[in-house]
Amino acid sequence: AQSVTQPDIHITVSEGASLELRCNYSYGATPYLFWYVQSPGQGLQLLLKYFSGDTLVQGIKGFEAEFKRSQSSFNLRKPSVHWSDAAEYFCAADGGSQGNLIFGKGTKLSVKP
Amino acid sequence: NAGVTQTPKFQVLKTGQSMTLQCAQDMNHEYMSWYRQDPGMGLRLIHYSVGAGITDQGEVPNGYNVSRSTTEDFPLRLLSAAPSQTSVYFCASSAGTSGANEQFFGPGTRLTVL
Repeated sequence: AQSVTQPDIHITVSEGASLELRCNYSYGATPYLFWYVQSPGQGLQLLLKYFSGDTLVQGIKGFEAEFKRSQSSFNLRKPSVHWSDAAEYFCAADGGSQGNLIFGKGTKLSVKP
Repeated sequence: NAGVTQTPKFQVLKTGQSMTLQCAQDMNHEYMSWYRQDPGMGLRLIHYSVGAGITDQGEVPNGYNVSRSTTEDFPLRLLSAAPSQTSVYFCASSAGTSGANEQFFGPGTRLTVL
């Protein structure tokens, strides 16, 4: 079955430190891949997406993600974290059927001052 | 454009009560869907629609009903609320069913069933 896995439930980083959030997918073929962010009490906002081509994609708020086919991974990175980045991050993939998304369980990011 | 709107923002129900969660979008999107979000579970698809008059079940459809009489609206009905339906519900829409289309999410409805 198609699935998206985010191995880390909760990550804490210091402000100004670099960040990497992990995402692995299990699909028969390379799906469309997405990263969303959810601030407390808010809806989901799209950070970036990967369809094909360049394996390094740039998103909003200084985030980027790298697609690695050999590792079935799509990890999210940011060189320097800001306190406002504290939120929950979801990796998602196109379910391949009627446009549905399959989400990982999310990674909660806390930022230490 | 208001995007995707959901009402109400918060709701408390008693077990056995019924209610309808409203979702509307003003982007003329064909595709609309409902997800529920539970702690540690991510978002799971309840029902979706690829156009007016067409709906289908997602991963967790039991206890929910949907209809799509217009392009703009996609209400979610809880027929007889149960405590297991306590969750945050998100409505989403996109221009089409291709995964290349960005999905836009509403702000969510937080539902508590006592």
